[in-house]
Amino acid sequence: NAGVTQTPKFQVLKTGQSMTLQCAQDMNHEYMSWYRQDPGMGLRLIHYSVGAGITDQGEVPNGYNVSRSTTEDFPLRLLSAAPSQTSVYFCASARGVLNTEAFFGQGTRLTVV
Amino acid sequence: QQQVKQSPQSLIVQKGGISIINCAYENTAFDYFPWYQQFPGKGPALLIAIRPDVSEKKEGRFTISFNKSAKQFSLHIMDSQPGDSATYFCAASINGGATNKLIFGTGTLLAVQP
Repeated sequence: NAGVTQTPKFQVLKTGQSMTLQCAQDMNHEYMSWYRQDPGMGLRLIHYSVGAGITDQGEVPNGYNVSRSTTEDFPLRLLSAAPSQTSVYFCASARGVLNTEAFFGQGTRLTVV
Repeated sequence: QQQVKQSPQSLIVQKGGISIINCAYENTAFDYFPWYQQFPGKGPALLIAIRPDVSEKKEGRFTISFNKSAKQFSLHIMDSQPGDSATYFCAASINGGATNKLIFGTGTLLAVQP
């Protein structure tokens, strides 16, 4: 029972490089989200999706793109990495019914130098 | 602008003691208030959640107290154990608990000393 799987677990990027953080869930959840976690700031919502083909911006979307071509996958793209994007990134999924649990992946620790 | 304010930032409790973490919110449209527990190197995991039509919810040693008029809610951990040492986040959402749009507090690092 894999749940929410994020890859890679660790990544170092140079400023200006682009990359994609992968997120996959095997629970057939409609809702998926990306958060970033920074010290003293909790988790902040980057982008979210309520189903395949539907995405929207969260609290801190600048510098990130998402797409949702399938129910299972929700990749997060960094267009041109900046040191301010150094963070731990979490993907989450939820069933989409009222007040249900959000399941989080193990996170991707990204460092931009 | 922090929509959900959490305190304290860190907490040290003796084994067997009561751990109390507080959160306050501004948006009266919030209608779902979960608490998440996070161990080092892991993603957050749901601990317990409450809706605003209930003033208290208890699951084992964990209790949420909710004060709608004060716009505050708190987590109480009774008989705290070293295994409870983790970071705790309160959160809130609207639209019937759309758990794809959680607003998190800044977290509380709890250390339970044996």
